[in-house]
Amino acid sequence: DIQMTQSPSSVSASLGDRVTITCRASQGIYSWLAWYQQKPGKAPKLLIYPASTLQGGVPSRFSGSGSGTDFTLTITSLQPEDFATYYCQQATSLPPTFGGGTKVEIQ
Amino acid sequence: QVQVQESGPGLVKPSQTLSLTCTVSGGSISSAGYYWSWIRQPAGKGLEWIGRIFTSGTTNYNPSLKSRVTISLDTSRNQFSLNLISVTAADTAVYYCARDAYGDSRSFDLWGRGTLVTVSS
Repeated sequence: DIQMTQSPSSVSASLGDRVTITCRASQGIYSWLAWYQQKPGKAPKLLIYPASTLQGGVPSRFSGSGSGTDFTLTITSLQPEDFATYYCQQATSLPPTFGGGTKVEIQ
Repeated sequence: QVQVQESGPGLVKPSQTLSLTCTVSGGSISSAGYYWSWIRQPAGKGLEWIGRIFTSGTTNYNPSLKSRVTISLDTSRNQFSLNLISVTAADTAVYYCARDAYGDSRSFDLWGRGTLVTVSS
């Protein structure tokens, strides 16, 4: 299985801050990476695929980049509704695997 | 607007079979471009893909669960189902069904609300 490692596991930030989350794959996955946002008690919501395309309705303050093994999710100007846990997921080979998550908390 | 919704028992006894159904509404489960997957999440933990089914009936399973999992499809009811045998407390989790886009859009682009299944006697 391809291992996905996210860092940091949590980050404290303030409204308006820029937040960057990193995801590293244990082997190259081209650009087949998706990012999800999950709020407590809710299902994950697709934000970005593959690597950099915003899902419809996702605000433009979210962006993704990277290819190969290293990827980033950036949130510019953090809004109240952005406090959540974010997961990356590789879609190159079976089984699809997820990172351990990054919790974005209010500072 | 396509939606998916999980249903099934919230409590299963150890060694028994966990059975869940996902109903697709607002669209056809036979729509081109999609697999249909099950994913689970133990409380406070990350996401684990269980397996998927294509409209042809072709299935893929996570090797870690393959010996215990069966996913099936009922196109006439627009549903797909999960059976997990010989459950233990480690199978306690929120179970999600999700639409699994392939091609250039590889991602889980539509999720159900999830259903908590507790394994306990």
